[in-house]
Amino acid sequence: SQTIHQWPATLVQPVGSPLSLECTVEGTSNPNLYWYRQAAGRGLQLLFYSVGIGQISSEVPQNLSASRPQDRQFILSSKKLLLSDSGFYLCAWSELGDGKLFFGSGTQLSVL
Amino acid sequence: RKEVEQDPGPFNVPEGATVAFNCTYSNSASQSFFWYRQDCRKEPKLLMSVYSSGNEDGRFTAQLNRASQYISLLIRDSKLSDSATYLCVVNPTGGFKTIFGAGTRLFVKA
Repeated sequence: SQTIHQWPATLVQPVGSPLSLECTVEGTSNPNLYWYRQAAGRGLQLLFYSVGIGQISSEVPQNLSASRPQDRQFILSSKKLLLSDSGFYLCAWSELGDGKLFFGSGTQLSVL
Repeated sequence: RKEVEQDPGPFNVPEGATVAFNCTYSNSASQSFFWYRQDCRKEPKLLMSVYSSGNEDGRFTAQLNRASQYISLLIRDSKLSDSATYLCVVNPTGGFKTIFGAGTRLFVKA
């Protein structure tokens, strides 16, 4: 069966520091991969999606970037965090890109 | 107008009650529709797909009304464990830009 791993679960970072969140998927090949962010009490905002290695589509202009160095690995990065980057970050995968998404357990990021 | 709109609630219902949520979407070309459930500080989990003919899974029934551009979720015989936030999800073009509503909060009380 397919599983998705996301870490860390909680992260507290100072403003201006770098960020790297990693997500890996097991049990499937060539998944579609996504990064979402959820601000407190808000809906999920799609940040990036990827349909293959090295293929990244950005949905929201910001100081975040994403990379997919391997088929089942998706990384979210920032060179300098802002206060507004705080939120709940969720990695997800899908097989068909039809809206059936399977999420990792999320990373609660607090930028102070 | 938001692409997907939901009443944020909260809906406070006693155990055993029937409760219904609606969700409206703006893009008439939307192809796929889903309900997800999200517990506090947890990841969303797929609850059920919503088909044009409607579908039922145990105590849960989902309906789609394309003419009025809304989907609904009906929960019968509510359980304490149904307390969660229910997210309406729309896939506008059958592609990858899945849109999530902000969610409807449900509290089921003993």
